[in-house]
Amino acid sequence: KQEVTQIPAALSVPEGENLVLNCSFTDSAIYNLQWFRQDPGKGLTSLLLIQSSQREQTSGRLNASLDKSSGRSTLYIAASQPGDSATYLCAVQGGSEKLVFGKGTKLTVNP
Amino acid sequence: GAGVSQSPSNKVTEKGKDVELRCDPISGHTALYWYRQSLGQGLEFLIYFQGNSAPDKSGLPSDRFSAERTGGSVSTLTIQRTQQEDSAVYLCASSLAARGNAEQFFGPGTRLTVL
Repeated sequence: KQEVTQIPAALSVPEGENLVLNCSFTDSAIYNLQWFRQDPGKGLTSLLLIQSSQREQTSGRLNASLDKSSGRSTLYIAASQPGDSATYLCAVQGGSEKLVFGKGTKLTVNP
Repeated sequence: GAGVSQSPSNKVTEKGKDVELRCDPISGHTALYWYRQSLGQGLEFLIYFQGNSAPDKSGLPSDRFSAERTGGSVSTLTIQRTQQEDSAVYLCASSLAARGNAEQFFGPGTRLTVL
């Protein structure tokens, strides 16, 4: 059974800092990995999708990497801003079509 | 274009009543998913549709839960005889395809409160 773990559960940083969020998964047989952000009381916004054959994806200040063999992904956020404050969720799609989610990292960027 | 929409945004009901939650996926998306987000439980998969058929219902927690999809578009999740433990945010997602480069796009969710 696939399990996804995100560390840390919460992170507080000053504005401008570069930061890394971690995601690990137990079964390396995945089709893709997706990073989302969730603002309080809102749905999920897709940030990046990495296919199993890819090593990384970039979008603006965000860079996500994937090491499938070791079951790890990182989300790098450059020059963090208060507007980046949200919960970040990692999810993997494996042998079935469903996404298996981690419990998220709650990020607070302080002005 | 329009994203995934869900209705109602909030639903308060009494224990024992039936509720229906609706999802309108992105036009042209053949795959549709229902998830549930409970406090402290994280996001859990409920059911997946490809077109109008549901190849994977493995996440439905009990036979009180059912879902259908008509015309390959709108889906309805029905919870019969609601219980307090059904209180959660119910999220719907859709994607162009089921696997591979199949980015899932989520709706804003329906917050269900069972009194």
